Amino acid sequence: DGGITQSPKYLFRKEGQNVTLSCEQNLNHDAMYWYRQDPGQGLRLIYYSQIVNDFQKGDIAEGYSVSREKKESFPLTVTSAQKNPTAFYLCASAPRAGGTDTQYFGPGTRLTVL
Amino acid sequence: EDQVTQSPEALRLQEGESSSLNCSYTVSGLRGLFWYRQDPGKGPEFLFTLYSAGEEKEKERLKATLTKKESFLHITAPKPEDSATYLCEMGGSQGNLIFGKGTKLSVKP
Repeated sequence: DGGITQSPKYLFRKEGQNVTLSCEQNLNHDAMYWYRQDPGQGLRLIYYSQIVNDFQKGDIAEGYSVSREKKESFPLTVTSAQKNPTAFYLCASAPRAGGTDTQYFGPGTRLTVL
Repeated sequence: EDQVTQSPEALRLQEGESSSLNCSYTVSGLRGLFWYRQDPGKGPEFLFTLYSAGEEKEKERLKATLTKKESFLHITAPKPEDSATYLCEMGGSQGNLIFGKGTKLSVKP
């Protein structure tokens, strides 16, 4: 089955630690995205990638980093510089970037900082 | 500045009571208008894509429409299983993607 997967589903982190969230897709999509969702805030764009080995900052990139070494994978690292990382993180992919193609979302990772 | 506003924030309906959700947008050139459904603790699920004013799409009890300033998601004779948060997203002329904050729909039996 084609789709987009995220792992883990739940993640707990101590303050000062970096953590990496996994996102994999087998839809052969060029574009991939990371969003953060907080209650009452809607989805906010962290980073996106239009193609392998390329990525761009979104609206709230501070304290996060990404890589795109393979077409299928777009991991997100939440660094200790992110002041309020507790949130629900969503990964998405689309055939192309540019605002015309539907995005397909993964099931999400809920990150809690202890 | 490109912007998306959804209203109302929350909507409570009785089963069978039809209504509409609104998504107003401001953009210099719309590339696409997307509707998603999101259940608690899950990722958004695609519903519709609209590209030009006057376009309409329908699926079961849902119908999405688009004008030059707003989109409506009409829900006809809703059932409790239609309860979810409905998200609107706009693709802007610069390729940017902007989400509204969503409308939380509750349908009571």
